[in-house]
Amino acid sequence: DVKVTQSSRYLVKRTGEKVFLECVQDMDHENMFWYRQDPGLGLRLIYFSYDVKMKEKGDIPEGYSVSREKKERFSLILESASTNQTSMYLCASSLRDLIMNTEAFFGQGTRLTVV
Amino acid sequence: DAKTTQPTSMDCAEGRAANLPCNHSTISGNEYVYWYRQIHSQGPQYIIHGLKNNETNEMASLIITEDRKSSTLILPHATLRDTAVYYCIAGGYQKVTFGIGTKLQVIP
Repeated sequence: DVKVTQSSRYLVKRTGEKVFLECVQDMDHENMFWYRQDPGLGLRLIYFSYDVKMKEKGDIPEGYSVSREKKERFSLILESASTNQTSMYLCASSLRDLIMNTEAFFGQGTRLTVV
Repeated sequence: DAKTTQPTSMDCAEGRAANLPCNHSTISGNEYVYWYRQIHSQGPQYIIHGLKNNETNEMASLIITEDRKSSTLILPHATLRDTAVYYCIAGGYQKVTFGIGTKLQVIP
């Protein structure tokens, strides 16, 4: 059974802290994505990666960075957490295809609260 | 990625077909149409995708108009477990951009 695992389901951090959200997939997928989901705004793409050490900005990258040192792991980093980064964070992965998007598999999400 | 427009919410009676529309009038020739759904408190789940032809799988059918400017996702016999937010996405490879989606409520 395919799996995308996010390290925490719930997380509470203080303003100014450096926060790491980890995501691991076991499907040997090339593509990995980080989204945040907020009421009324849907899912918004923060960053994605199509290969190890490669990263591309999504629609809302400000305040975030990412790391992809191994194919199976994609980390989202909040350098200095702020209250407006309180949100649900979703990780996804998919196979790379040069023509179309393949099916993306999502993790269960991490609900981050910054106080 | 092409912009998509979906109704904010829809209701459907249990056992009836649910028809969810999506407009993607700016879609380009090599962009596919994808549908995902998100059941409360879970990550989104892939349903179906298509380019030009109509598609069917065990979950749903996808009807794409000939000019490709709109599509309809059909759940043939909606059940209470189909209550979810349904996302229509039109785009190329690598990047998957979601909108706000349609909240489908299946009513007993």
